[in-house]
Amino acid sequence: NAGVTQTPKFQVLKTGQSMTLQCAQDMNHNSMYWYRQDPGMGLRLIYYSASEGTTDKGEVPNGYNVSRLNKREFSLRLESAAPSQTSVYFCASRDSLSYEQYFGPGTRLTVT
Amino acid sequence: RKEVEQDPGPFNVPEGATVAFNCTYSNSASQSFFWYRQDCRKEPKLLMSVYSSGNEDGRFTAQLNRASQYISLLIRDSKLSDSATYLCVVNRRTGSARQLTFGSGTQLTVLP
Repeated sequence: NAGVTQTPKFQVLKTGQSMTLQCAQDMNHNSMYWYRQDPGMGLRLIYYSASEGTTDKGEVPNGYNVSRLNKREFSLRLESAAPSQTSVYFCASRDSLSYEQYFGPGTRLTVT
Repeated sequence: RKEVEQDPGPFNVPEGATVAFNCTYSNSASQSFFWYRQDCRKEPKLLMSVYSSGNEDGRFTAQLNRASQYISLLIRDSKLSDSATYLCVVNRRTGSARQLTFGSGTQLTVLP
């Protein structure tokens, strides 16, 4: 049972570089989420997708874009990375009847 | 004021001890409450939901006080494997995506 998968696991970028974080879930969930986690800040929502074809901003969307490619996949793009985007990024998904979210293993991103 | 506030700890307790964590939330309209567990450098996972009547799952007991907007988690007979960060989580009623708001977490280390 794969659940929620994320790639890559680790990434180092230079300021100004771009990259896309990939997320996929095999649980047929409608809703998917991208969070970042920083020390002492807890998980903060970047973007979410309530269903295929829709995306909405969360608490900290600046500097990011997302694509809900299909029901399984939800990607997060950093167009011009900044050191402030150094963080651990988690993708999560949820089924329609529950608040419980299932998380991927995370991507540890460092921007130098 | 943060929407969900927790004592960050760390709590260092001997094996077999009883330990309690507290959490307060600011949104009186919140309806659903959870405790998630996060092991070091891993993704958060649901530990238990918190119901108005209080609920127990083995050594873990969760309580909710809606009047005081306060949630607690009690762990009895602590095991080494309970060492983790415990996240207090509250739903945020926004749109249709059933968002969650995460506390920063309380770190627990159980010592042999």
